[in-house]
Amino acid sequence: IQLTQSPSFLSASIGDRVTITCRASQAISSYLAWYQQKPGKAPKLLVYAASTLQSGVPSRFSGSGSGTEFTLTISSLQPEDFATYYCQQLDTYPLTFGGGTKVEIK
Amino acid sequence: QVQLHQWDAGLLKPSETLSLTCAVSGGSFSGFSWTWIRQSPEKGLEWIGEVNHGGAANYNPSLNSRVSISVDTSKNHFSLTLRSVTAADTAIYYCARGPERSTWKYSQLWGQGTLVTVSS
Repeated sequence: IQLTQSPSFLSASIGDRVTITCRASQAISSYLAWYQQKPGKAPKLLVYAASTLQSGVPSRFSGSGSGTEFTLTISSLQPEDFATYYCQQLDTYPLTFGGGTKVEIK
Repeated sequence: QVQLHQWDAGLLKPSETLSLTCAVSGGSFSGFSWTWIRQSPEKGLEWIGEVNHGGAANYNPSLNSRVSISVDTSKNHFSLTLRSVTAADTAIYYCARGPERSTWKYSQLWGQGTLVTVSS
């Protein structure tokens, strides 16, 4: 299953609302996770089951969607949120990741 | 606090075998799925395979029969073996743990990553 993320890059300011989209090549119900990765670090789980926030993740992050289209939203961008975000489908082996969305400071 | 710690694999020559180990400290080992994922500029994040909490292994077909993952519950660690490596296997390799006693396959906890370089 192929995952296409858009945009691949976005430039935003502190306090902005940011939305990242992940489209699956076939329906995956709600079997999707989102991760955040900062330079030199391992990815960190943010959301699973498309919309369930991992424990400890700030509530400004939210996930939605089902089937083939999903979104990750950051309601008010904070300095620590500048990173690359990846989606991963959990429906079918082999599990696959999207190409990533890099969020940079405007 | 549960942590996953990986050992460096360093530099390999083409056709050699990559062996990586991930040690689990600070928490239980049983009841979880254990996964290896790698990341390279060319392929991005690539799922290599897992041993699930029931002990069954699943691998990425793109790696064909070159890969195996084993679990040693007595030592609280799990390992990756990748045979006949080529330059295309150069990547940062991550170990990861899934949620407890669950069929969900997301990676909840990650190791620090280790760079593997394949070069003659």
